[in-house]
Amino acid sequence: DVKVTQSSRYLVKRTGEKVFLECVQDMDHENMFWYRQDPGLGLRLIYFSYDVKMKEKGDIPEGYSVSREKKERFSLILESASTNQTSMYLCASRLGNLGYTFGSGTRLTVV
Amino acid sequence: GESVGLHLPTLSVQEGDNSIINCAYSNSASDYFIWYKQESGKGPQFIIDIRSNMDKRQGQRVTVLLNKTVKHLSLQIAATQPGDSAVYFCAENRASGNTGKLIFGQGTTLQVKP
Repeated sequence: DVKVTQSSRYLVKRTGEKVFLECVQDMDHENMFWYRQDPGLGLRLIYFSYDVKMKEKGDIPEGYSVSREKKERFSLILESASTNQTSMYLCASRLGNLGYTFGSGTRLTVV
Repeated sequence: GESVGLHLPTLSVQEGDNSIINCAYSNSASDYFIWYKQESGKGPQFIIDIRSNMDKRQGQRVTVLLNKTVKHLSLQIAATQPGDSAVYFCAENRASGNTGKLIFGQGTTLQVKP
């Protein structure tokens, strides 16, 4: 089975901190995605990447950046965390036109 | 942003009954559809998928029906169990201009009463 691993299940950070959320997949998938999930708003796409060093903005990229230096790793960066970035963050990977495989999620709280 | 629509935010069923969760999509060019299950505090998990050249696909206790005429997708769960309590999302893949993204619905919460 494909595995998508998010490095932290829970994180608490202070306002203004730089935050790194890491995601690793083990099946050589080309496409990787970062979503945030909030009650009543569903899954919202932040950024995605279809190849190493390639990135595309999703629907809500403001306040975030990403890095994909290696195919298996896709990092989400909050340059200066704010309280409105408190959320559940989900990473996913995809091979071709099949479905996504999601990680377990990181619940980030910014205080 | 774009989204796939779900008819009901919450569905409550009795244990042992069958559940039907519905989803409407808007793009007739979509060629692939997926249902995900998300339990509390976890990431979404793949349940079943269907391609647009099919109208029905069955898995273990789950069936997905696709009606392309009215752009409607449904997930049927037979003999619903307490472990089926979760949020269910549909997702569509748009064949034209595809950049590898799926479009997700808002989710339906399934509550199973003992």
